[in-house]
Amino acid sequence: AQTVTQSQPEMSVQEAETVTLSCTYDTSESDYYLFWYKQPPSRQMILVIRQEAYKQQNATENRFSVNFQKAAKSFSLKISDSQLGDAAMYFCANNSGANSKLTFGKGITLSVRP
Amino acid sequence: AAGVIQSPRHLIKEKRETATLKCYPIPRHDTVYWYQQGPGQDPQFLISFYEKMQSDKGSIPDRFSAQQFSDYHSELNMSSLELGDSALYFCASSLEGGSLQETQYFGPGTRLLVL
Repeated sequence: AQTVTQSQPEMSVQEAETVTLSCTYDTSESDYYLFWYKQPPSRQMILVIRQEAYKQQNATENRFSVNFQKAAKSFSLKISDSQLGDAAMYFCANNSGANSKLTFGKGITLSVRP
Repeated sequence: AAGVIQSPRHLIKEKRETATLKCYPIPRHDTVYWYQQGPGQDPQFLISFYEKMQSDKGSIPDRFSAQQFSDYHSELNMSSLELGDSALYFCASSLEGGSLQETQYFGPGTRLLVL
């Protein structure tokens, strides 16, 4: 069984600044992927970034990057040059096992101050 | 690009009624997942299908059933609705039987309110 823990329920960042959202996970699988999904007020689930567990290089997508520490089972999301549109709920998720269902953390609400 | 389509987008039902939610995956996607997100909660996996066969089952109540059809669309049937079934129901689709490297793409969700 896998678990995903997001211990910070809320965070706030000033526009144009950088913020890091934390996530830890636990899985008994050797092959797995990690994801960050964004859920704005519309409640659409939008994939932000994903990381393959077998890759040592941290994934990057424009202003979004991750810090993947496999031994520590940590997977944090860094948002650079924060924009007002980044305000949303962010979920960390893990998939593993034969059928790849996603296990989500509780989410973190990010607010961006103008 | 085509996305996952869910219908209806909003649904209001009375207790003990029945509801059917539909999901149309992205073209060529053969795997469908259903998730339930309660108010203020994270999405919880319900059930998944690959090539019209159930591939995995999560915390889905016995009152719920689902299937995938030959055109890969899926339907989630919910009977004897309870107040606690009020939630946002997501469908997601992926390629290749839901293998790990394939990303799940989510639909906009169906908001179910049970009164």
